Amino acid sequence: QQQVKQSPQSLIVQKGGISIINCAYENTAFDYFPWYQQFPGKGPALLIAIRPDVSEKKEGRFTISFNKSAKQFSLHIMDSQPGDSATYFCAASIGDSNYQLIWGAGTKLIIKP
Amino acid sequence: DADVTQTPRNRITKTGKRIMLECSQTKGHDRMYWYRQDPGLGLRLIYYSFDVKDINKGEISDGYSVSRQAQAKFSLSLESAIPNQTALYFCATSDRNTGFRETQYFGPGTRLLVL
Repeated sequence: QQQVKQSPQSLIVQKGGISIINCAYENTAFDYFPWYQQFPGKGPALLIAIRPDVSEKKEGRFTISFNKSAKQFSLHIMDSQPGDSATYFCAASIGDSNYQLIWGAGTKLIIKP
Repeated sequence: DADVTQTPRNRITKTGKRIMLECSQTKGHDRMYWYRQDPGLGLRLIYYSFDVKDINKGEISDGYSVSRQAQAKFSLSLESAIPNQTALYFCATSDRNTGFRETQYFGPGTRLLVL
């Protein structure tokens, strides 16, 4: 019940295309859903996050879509660029325990020029 | 990343050896974490610390110990390393004073190989 399932494991997208990464969870108590981006040789860094009281959050080319009834959330990268090539992690946490993130397994994204 | 540093960046050791990974931060954050990253498994929390005197086990603490020497320093020890502890280890920090939604800031990682 604590798991966050992320798919796909890897993804190749042409430059200019839309990259979509999906996550699903079981624990309905989760109320904070961040996405972290990790470049090779670096630690993960917060990219964008959403709370379950909104269905979508957009920051530049990055959008989180949230479906509370389906217990799913996804990251969309519009106009994908080679510089977006990285590993992306979704995560979830509960209320005051938001320091204890439950992480997805990660998606390695490659944007082909 | 420069605000959270980890040493060493790479380490090769042998089974049964004791090894320490060190983390320092200049962000002034009170909370610090140790994670390990394995391919296909994401990040798993080993230990976390809210301050020097408050240290807690995470999801996978067996075989590991930690020491919070100061607010800025948090070390992870493998008392007797074994091959399945081969992984990428990350230190992270967060600031409880930022409010309800804490962001975790990660160091660059230590790649550990246990032979």
